[in-house]
Amino acid sequence: DAGITQSPRHKVTETGTPVTLRCHQTENHRYMYWYRQDPGHGLRLIHYSYGVKDTDKGEVSDGYSVSRSKTEDFLLTLESATSSQTSVYFCAISRPGGKGRDSYEQYFGPGTRLTVT
Amino acid sequence: SQELEQSPQSLIVQEGKNLTINCTSSKTLYGLYWYKQKYGEGLIFLMMLQKGGEEKSHEKITAKLDEKKQQSSLHITASQPSHAGIYLCGADGTGTASKLTFGTGTRLQVTL
Repeated sequence: DAGITQSPRHKVTETGTPVTLRCHQTENHRYMYWYRQDPGHGLRLIHYSYGVKDTDKGEVSDGYSVSRSKTEDFLLTLESATSSQTSVYFCAISRPGGKGRDSYEQYFGPGTRLTVT
Repeated sequence: SQELEQSPQSLIVQEGKNLTINCTSSKTLYGLYWYKQKYGEGLIFLMMLQKGGEEKSHEKITAKLDEKKQQSSLHITASQPSHAGIYLCGADGTGTASKLTFGTGTRLQVTL
């Protein structure tokens, strides 16, 4: 358990409305990530953060923005939700693994199931 | 971009049988992660492999990394119903452990 919570866990919204998903961690890890999981595509990286106010794009960033004003919170915003953004969204953190100076392990939150109608 | 291919895509085994899942990368692997996911739930970290030839075990699950073949295998000995779920491999293709690419998963069912 890496102390990661996501909210809300389930959300149904209408096309065109803004949506914000929240990821909260309790262990002050520097790196945080947002992924989406879709059948046939596996997990794909949307955005990630390497510190407060430091973020970068992932593989599927179009239509999404992120913010990190505090170490513990990483927010994902869909400015104007579309049906193609219906998915399960996972937040993750990286923390040092047991061995090796460059050994990091990624741990995931429980996910948010978003449906855009 | 790096791509990961998992095989098989799905697997049904009888309780007590052994099984192997493979994960092959299109590019050099700097790190390979294995996760398990139950339907509708989050990913559970199983293990991470970094060096060629490295082998790790977690309960009855063993994973190996063949760096030259850009491949990892996950082996379950004496499968149990609790092993059922989706197994995902994720690869660190940059050496920075900052971004992972994932395979599409192997769905495992264990019958009694």
